Amino acid sequence: QSALTQPPSASGSPGQSVTISCTGTSSDVGGYNRVSWYQQHPDKAPKLIISEVSKRPSGVPDRFSGSKSGNTASLTVSGLQAEDEADYYCASYAGTDAGNHNLVFGGGTKLTVL
Amino acid sequence: QVQLQQSGPGLVKPSQTLSLTCAISGDSVSSNSAAWNWIRQSPSRGLEWLGRTYYRSKWYNDYAVSVRSRVTINPDTSKNQFSLQLNSVTPEDTAVYYCAGGLMTMGFGYWGQGTLVTVSS
Repeated sequence: QSALTQPPSASGSPGQSVTISCTGTSSDVGGYNRVSWYQQHPDKAPKLIISEVSKRPSGVPDRFSGSKSGNTASLTVSGLQAEDEADYYCASYAGTDAGNHNLVFGGGTKLTVL
Repeated sequence: QVQLQQSGPGLVKPSQTLSLTCAISGDSVSSNSAAWNWIRQSPSRGLEWLGRTYYRSKWYNDYAVSVRSRVTINPDTSKNQFSLQLNSVTPEDTAVYYCAGGLMTMGFGYWGQGTLVTVSS
């Protein structure tokens, strides 16, 4: 399975909105509504911020939103705050091969708050 | 509140077996709705899903193609934990290893603290 494609970096000023893309294929992102997004601060474990394309777990601010169109999923962070500066990763269910289910991650995007 | 606590050595010699354990509190390894995963992270490979175990009337496992011939993930119901074994390791297996769990379709909602495993003689 190939990794999903994310831009290596993104940036925005406080209060602005930023969108991070995650591009796959019809065998992963485009084929299932099982895209999730993770936020990772330095030396910390990733944290789930979006599941099933657009669902926010309890406690995640509504400034974080997810969507999908075709083979590309997107994470939008609205009203950027300093604490949003982190690495962001997407992940997707990627179907089965010989009965074995697969999951795949994106390469990650470093979000800088200017 | 679900918590995952990892344990295992931080240094493994080349060609040997990497073994890690993840103890679960606040949920059950035998949950009929959760899945229990191992994920690793390195500068060269980013986040890489290695595999998972889950229980749906019987035990199932799924493994990433990249490690399928070398990896085993096992549940231990007596201790409410699950383990990772990766055989024949090389320096390329050096990474931070995470256990992670969550509802099957809802992504990885719970994470362990991470274990840096270095493969070196």
